[in-house]
Amino acid sequence: SQQGEEDPQALSIQEGENATMNCSYKTSINNLQWYRQNSGRGLVHLILIRSNEREKHSGRLRVTLDTSKKSSSLLITASRAADTASYFCATSRYGNKLVFGAGTILRVKS
Amino acid sequence: DVKVTQSSRYLVKRTGEKVFLECVQDMDHENMFWYRQDPGLGLRLIYFSYDVKMKEKGDIPEGYSVSREKKERFSLILESASTNQTSMYLCATTGLASSTDTQYFGPGTRLTVL
Repeated sequence: SQQGEEDPQALSIQEGENATMNCSYKTSINNLQWYRQNSGRGLVHLILIRSNEREKHSGRLRVTLDTSKKSSSLLITASRAADTASYFCATSRYGNKLVFGAGTILRVKS
Repeated sequence: DVKVTQSSRYLVKRTGEKVFLECVQDMDHENMFWYRQDPGLGLRLIYFSYDVKMKEKGDIPEGYSVSREKKERFSLILESASTNQTSMYLCATTGLASSTDTQYFGPGTRLTVL
């Protein structure tokens, strides 16, 4: 069953702008992760935030988590054409199983 | 770096054929997963395995089976392929001893069933 839902479904921005993607989920979680998928390829792990964390940074990525609202956001600052990809959130409740959302398609125009 | 390989990038099969998709990982990881990915639906878990000869059903196991005879190899089997199994298939792996659930993915196999 689909746990996370990303919003928006698609996003188109100019190079240099910031991109924000949101993820909502339905049940309690251990952690939430964001993955990137370049066209027709496998997924690559970007960042993980635990349920007791509120914000995390990794390079140009900033992730926030609001467990009271059951939502997370991924911010990519100073976007580049190479950031063009699909972005997925995935939630973990127990064990090593993840539940993925449908993804946000990001297009960065140069 | 973890390396996960899948036997084919593209595969075209006919309805009713038996199809084998192979996944191999080089990190001695215990956990392996098979997903299918369809537009608008994200990734859906078909089967997963915590150990050799061990398997558990995911969310959409119907029409599929799996085999894990060796730790590094996890096979997905379509016993009798149907057109609604046309999809992108992704294999992933993660270590039981890992402190996170981060999954490492293969490049995917795009399967077309005619």
